[in-house]
Amino acid sequence: QVQLQESGPGLVKPSETLSLTCTVSGGSISNYYWTWIRQPPGKGLEWIGYIYYSGSTNYNPSLKSRVTISVDTSKNQFSLKLSSVTAADTAVYYCARGSWELRVGVDYWGQGTLVTVSS
Amino acid sequence: DVVMTQSPLSLPVTLGQPASISCRSSQSLVYGDGNTYLNWFRQRPGQSPRRLIYKVSNRDSGVPDRFSGSGSGADFTLKISRVEAEDVGVYYCMQGTHWPYTFGQGTKLEIK
Repeated sequence: QVQLQESGPGLVKPSETLSLTCTVSGGSISNYYWTWIRQPPGKGLEWIGYIYYSGSTNYNPSLKSRVTISVDTSKNQFSLKLSSVTAADTAVYYCARGSWELRVGVDYWGQGTLVTVSS
Repeated sequence: DVVMTQSPLSLPVTLGQPASISCRSSQSLVYGDGNTYLNWFRQRPGQSPRRLIYKVSNRDSGVPDRFSGSGSGADFTLKISRVEAEDVGVYYCMQGTHWPYTFGQGTKLEIK
């Protein structure tokens, strides 16, 4: 059974960079798309972007100038960096595995990690 | 971005009764390959979302057959034939046709 676990600081100061890592266990990171999705408290879901195991990426245009997603196949991990954060970036951040076809969404999710942006 | 509009936003339902959620997109969700990438997810309280339906009407493995999806173009519906207590949660439609993929704002199903 594939499992995903997010890790990283739960508190980030405004204007700094949010950094999260997702560790994949129970399966290989190869041959799949890996995604980051976030959910502000009490609100809906937003796609941040995704990376293919080979390293190709696609980002939400609304965040593109601030987002970097990378993958480390040797560690079975992928990561998210979001720069110049503000309070609007406070959210639960989920890492997830894309389905056989990313357009049908994701099939395995991490438990989510709350990141609060505050001084 | 494609805007996904769900209604109602709150859905109180009596156990054993049917429920229906509407999802409308600001653009057609028919992709160039002929498929319509409209998916439904449910998020139970305190949990990560889980997909229930993909490409309008295909149930995921383990999803009870009381769940059904229908629709075409830009107008879609999720139906639960007989609501059970375990169906409580927030339901989201999600389109995978146009990047960035987008979710509806969610419909909270609760037991009356």
